[in-house]
Amino acid sequence: KQEVTQIPAALSVPEGENLVLNCSFTDSAIYNLQWFRQDPGKGLTSLLLIQSSQREQTSGRLNASLDKSSGRSTLYIAASQPGDSATYLCALGSGNTGKLIFGQGTTLQVKP
Amino acid sequence: GAVVSQHPSWVICKSGTSVKIECRSLDFQATTMFWYRQFPKQSLMLMATSNEGSKATYEQGVEKDKFLINHASLTLSTLTVTSAHPEDSSFYICSAGEGPDTQYFGPGTRLTVL
Repeated sequence: KQEVTQIPAALSVPEGENLVLNCSFTDSAIYNLQWFRQDPGKGLTSLLLIQSSQREQTSGRLNASLDKSSGRSTLYIAASQPGDSATYLCALGSGNTGKLIFGQGTTLQVKP
Repeated sequence: GAVVSQHPSWVICKSGTSVKIECRSLDFQATTMFWYRQFPKQSLMLMATSNEGSKATYEQGVEKDKFLINHASLTLSTLTVTSAHPEDSSFYICSAGEGPDTQYFGPGTRLTVL
């Protein structure tokens, strides 16, 4: 059974810092991996999608990497801003069904 | 991007009553929708896969008679929490997609059962 773990559970940084969020998974047979952002009491916004055959994806200040052999993905946020404060979730697609298995999330607070 | 809506956004009900939550894909058709629940400070747990025109597929441990799912059209899926109890209080989120790589999430419905 696939298990997804995110470390740390919470993170507080001053504005401007570069930071890395971690996601690990137990089964390397994944279809894809996504990083989402969730604001309090809201739904999810997709940030980056990495296909199983890819190593990384970039969007603006965000860069996500995928290492299937070690069962790890990282989300790198450059020059963090207070508006980046949210919970970040990684999710694995285990097949081409669209079903996702989520990690517990990392709650990020960026202080001005 | 595509939009998925949920209604209501929040609902409070008495224990023992049933509550229906709607999930709509506004500008695309979705043969498959997913229902998740999220407890405070926890992650999303997949409850079931809703298939248009057929029965939903429930994840292990989810009571299908408790959580009734109907996917009557390509743009609408409903989740009915029957005989709700306080332990059913949660944040329910649906998603709909145009394929395995593209899932759009609704804004969620906060259910509080008194």
